[in-house]
Amino acid sequence: NAGVTQTPKFQVLKTGQSMTLQCAQDMNHEYMSWYRQDPGMGLRLIHYSVGAGITDQGEVPNGYNVSRSTTEDFPLRLLSAAPSQTSVYFCASRNPINTEAFFGQGTRLTVV
Amino acid sequence: AQSVTQLGSHVSVSEGALVLLRCNYSSSVPPYLFWYVQYPNQGLQLLLKYTSAATLVKGINGFEAEFKKSETSFHLTKPSAHMSDAAEYFCAVSLEYGNKLVFGAGTILRVKS
Repeated sequence: NAGVTQTPKFQVLKTGQSMTLQCAQDMNHEYMSWYRQDPGMGLRLIHYSVGAGITDQGEVPNGYNVSRSTTEDFPLRLLSAAPSQTSVYFCASRNPINTEAFFGQGTRLTVV
Repeated sequence: AQSVTQLGSHVSVSEGALVLLRCNYSSSVPPYLFWYVQYPNQGLQLLLKYTSAATLVKGINGFEAEFKKSETSFHLTKPSAHMSDAAEYFCAVSLEYGNKLVFGAGTILRVKS
């Protein structure tokens, strides 16, 4: 099994550009989440989903959109990139019975 | 709502010394608690988890943690530090069947030779 796969691994955007970070999991997990990691702030929850067709906002949702059309995929869209969105983004999936989260390898995004 | 506080953003120990990383949680109901490790430029890997079975939880790489309800703590320990333990460690809390996993700010562990 591949687990949780994120693409791309690195991305540089100009201010105002839009893009989609991809996340796919092959473990049939219901729960999927997006986090951003900034130095000294741990991982902060952006958006999460408890199943296909259901999404909700986390701690820092502004400037990001998500959708969940399938169990496997949970893309994160940056609508109009800002320098404050420079960060490392992690996608995670969980099985609610086990509650352990499995993480992708991250996407390092720089907005200039 | 649940929350996590990790005391000490940086901890430095000598090789062979005890490792103690502190985590306190806040939760209105019995929580699930986790410790994750992150090596440079990598994702997060589960070290261990508490899911209300035993209060002393053993994880990978010789780490263990003890759930203390009276102190709302879940500190991570390892008797003897190795150079390979140098990484960032995150404590996290979740409610049973909860859809949010909340992380602490992380503790960077340095191991001196």
